[in-house]
Amino acid sequence: DTAVSQTPKYLVTQMGNDKSIKCEQNLGHDTMYWYKQDSKKFLKIMFSYNNKELIINETVPNRFSPKSPDKAHLNLHINSLELGDSAVYFCASSQERWGTDTQYFGPGTRLTVL
Amino acid sequence: AQSVAQPEDQVNVAEGNPLTVKCTYSVSGNPYLFWYVQYPNRGLQFLLKYITGDNLVKGSYGFEAEFNKSQTSFHLKKPSALVSDSALYFCAVRPPPSNTGKLIFGQGTTLQVKP
Repeated sequence: DTAVSQTPKYLVTQMGNDKSIKCEQNLGHDTMYWYKQDSKKFLKIMFSYNNKELIINETVPNRFSPKSPDKAHLNLHINSLELGDSAVYFCASSQERWGTDTQYFGPGTRLTVL
Repeated sequence: AQSVAQPEDQVNVAEGNPLTVKCTYSVSGNPYLFWYVQYPNRGLQFLLKYITGDNLVKGSYGFEAEFNKSQTSFHLKKPSALVSDSALYFCAVRPPPSNTGKLIFGQGTTLQVKP
């Protein structure tokens, strides 16, 4: 009955590879997000989708591409992985896109690029 | 630039003592403010939020926070700390216009509660 789930939990890969992280929420929310947490624990938003429409696209290399097949899923595909992509990636969701809504976070995916 | 600051990297308190984790923000207009907690190797858990109304907001696990508009602060407090409160705490702000859900996070404060 996990609200926001991510797979995989850990991902170790070589530089130059392409990988995907999947996120699913069973809360019936309309909006989903991807955040990156770096080695210093700093959290920064990357993308947000509302009902499959991209509404936030921060300054992120175009090697990162989010895909939302339906409003319950938001996947993150990363091409040509670099060492600096090593981080913990968090998915989150909220009922709506509006300011008062609380975002609920998944457990995170720790990506290590070797 | 819009930002959130948590001036203390770490706060140490003894179990049973009151705790305060500080947060100040710099945004134009009236922001929405949030506190989240992150336990080791876990995702962020929502604690409380300020939207409007009473400046003292009560949240989960006995935590509360006080919104002070003149000092642009939103400090997290608890009257009596528990060892299990030891974790990483994040303050976040959603600046207006708030039609995208974008949250700006502070750098986090590690709370250490000692028995």
